[in-house]
Amino acid sequence: KAGVTQTPRYLIKTRGQQVTLSCSPISGHRSVSWYQQTPGQGLQFLFEYFSETQRNKGNFPGRFSGRQFSNSRSEMNVSTLELGDSALYLCASSQGSLENEQFFGPGTRLTVL
Amino acid sequence: AQKITQTQPGMFVQEKEAVTLDCTYDTSDQSYGLFWYKQPSSGEMIFLIYQGSYDEQNATEGRYSLNFQKARKSANLVISASQLGDSAMYFCAMREAMIKAAGNKLTFGGGTRVLVKP
Repeated sequence: KAGVTQTPRYLIKTRGQQVTLSCSPISGHRSVSWYQQTPGQGLQFLFEYFSETQRNKGNFPGRFSGRQFSNSRSEMNVSTLELGDSALYLCASSQGSLENEQFFGPGTRLTVL
Repeated sequence: AQKITQTQPGMFVQEKEAVTLDCTYDTSDQSYGLFWYKQPSSGEMIFLIYQGSYDEQNATEGRYSLNFQKARKSANLVISASQLGDSAMYFCAMREAMIKAAGNKLTFGGGTRVLVKP
């Protein structure tokens, strides 16, 4: 079984631009969660999608949004990029709720100049 | 207040020795889950072990074991017989409110960097 894939792996953008990151979960998994990892704030939960519905949302501004498609693939979008958005963005997939394992992708490293 | 606290920012361990990574947590929920992840320099988070709050036995997975002390709210990871490949960041995480509607949100600690010396 293929693991969680994220594209692109690396991205460089400038302030004010917008960016879309993609996550393909493990086949059969319906839950996709997104996390932001920075040296200063650590790992922070962004949001979770389950069966195309946002189930949970972290404390991030509205510039951060996401969606999930019927094939469970998920995208997250960040509009009006700021320097502080530079981070490793990780997505995790699991089969459903209350799973004992969440499998993470390799992440997308976003640099905002 | 921090929900997950990992007090050891970094530590060295000799190859083949055991190492204990500390994790304390704070929750008012009765039902919760505790996870440990390994993050090598490549960035990918690798799941290691899981402990449910109602599990009576400490979880074990190969060389990884979890020393779960519910009353103290601690969930320390023990890595036995350390290998050079164990050098990485280790994160403790918690999922609260273990009901389906609560979803899979994980709260992470700040991590502990482990360096295994040959």
